[in-house]
Amino acid sequence: DVKVTQSSRYLVKRTGEKVFLECVQDMDHENMFWYRQDPGLGLRLIYFSYDVKMKEKGDIPEGYSVSREKKERFSLILESASTNQTSMYLCASSAGQGSYGYTFGSGTRLTVV
Amino acid sequence: EDQVTQSPEALRLQEGESSSLNCSYTVSGLRGLFWYRQDPGKGPEFLFTLYSAGEEKEKERLKATLTKKESFLHITAPKPEDSATYLCAVRYGGATNKLIFGTGTLLAVQP
Repeated sequence: DVKVTQSSRYLVKRTGEKVFLECVQDMDHENMFWYRQDPGLGLRLIYFSYDVKMKEKGDIPEGYSVSREKKERFSLILESASTNQTSMYLCASSAGQGSYGYTFGSGTRLTVV
Repeated sequence: EDQVTQSPEALRLQEGESSSLNCSYTVSGLRGLFWYRQDPGKGPEFLFTLYSAGEEKEKERLKATLTKKESFLHITAPKPEDSATYLCAVRYGGATNKLIFGTGTLLAVQP
């Protein structure tokens, strides 16, 4: 069974901390994505990557950065966590350039205090 | 503006009471419409992909249909285990495999 694994289910961090969220997929997918999900706002795209070392900004990249050094791993970095970054973070991957759906991870519930 | 709108926001059904969820979209060059199911505290789980108007897909009690402006997720004789949030997403336009998501319909099926 194909899998997208997010390293933590729950995280609590302090304001100003640097936070790393890790995502690993075992499907050899080219594309990987980071979304955040908030009540009433749905899923909003933060960053995505279509190849190793390649990244593109999504709709809400401010306050975030990403790293993709290996095909299977896509990391989301909160440079200086703030309380408005408290959210559910979802990683996803998909294959190639065709009209393929995403496979999602289970999510990381981040609380910034 | 490219947009995906789902209705209703929430739906409560009795077990066995069939109904439909709606996903309307305004994008140019649709390249796929996707339905996902999401249980509380978990990531979305893929259900269906539809590519062209008139296409239909079925899985157990769920049936998805697509027109040029909207998609419906029909739920026939639902059971309590069908309770979840159902998300719709569209892929459109150029080569990048980005999806736009709707905000979802929260379905509750009561026994």
